[in-house]
Amino acid sequence: GAVVSQHPSRVICKSGTSVKIECRSLDFQATTMFWYRQFPKQSLMLMATSNEGSKATYEQGVEKDKFLINHASLTLSTLTVTSAHPEDSSFYICSAREVGARQPQHFGDGTRLSIL
Amino acid sequence: SQKIEQNSEALNIQEGKTATLTCNYTNYSPAYLQWYRQDPGRGPVFLLLIRENEKEKRKERLKVTFDTTLKQSLFHITASQPADSATYLCALDIIKGGSYIPTFGRGTSLIVHP
Repeated sequence: GAVVSQHPSRVICKSGTSVKIECRSLDFQATTMFWYRQFPKQSLMLMATSNEGSKATYEQGVEKDKFLINHASLTLSTLTVTSAHPEDSSFYICSAREVGARQPQHFGDGTRLSIL
Repeated sequence: SQKIEQNSEALNIQEGKTATLTCNYTNYSPAYLQWYRQDPGRGPVFLLLIRENEKEKRKERLKVTFDTTLKQSLFHITASQPADSATYLCALDIIKGGSYIPTFGRGTSLIVHP
């Protein structure tokens, strides 16, 4: 089945650090990848839609200068949390959708980000 | 705007029974609807996708129904096992600016007791 690899799985760092999270589709090509944030016992909150070769589309209320997204190839998207602060601590999850709109998403295992 | 509603209260059932989870949406009927399983600290795992012209879909012990009149999908797990304990998420796509944007319900926690 389709596999999405997300790395790292856990990051603990000091306030002011920038953190990069990678999302790779291992056995399929994904023209579209999605980045989510999830708080405890809450639903997945879509942050942005990442399209290969173009700028990401951010959801309302998500700062694009804070959360930099790059989708350089059909198998890799990265999310960089710039100058992270404690309020950015959360569980970040990426997903990739196989080519074709009516396809399910396949998720990475998430990144637990803790900013001290 | 389209909203997805899942029962936020945990569903507790005894092993061997059938678990039934509900997903309601409020606006237009989507072309398809998806169900995912999420374990604590992990990303969601895709389970089943059902299209608007399909009333029912099965996969092993799982069954999903889709009623566009009631604007509801039901997710059933038969012969439930403690290993089925997890949060189950319902998802559908919202069309936004010509793109299909996935939207998730809050999920329902299922606890299967041995």
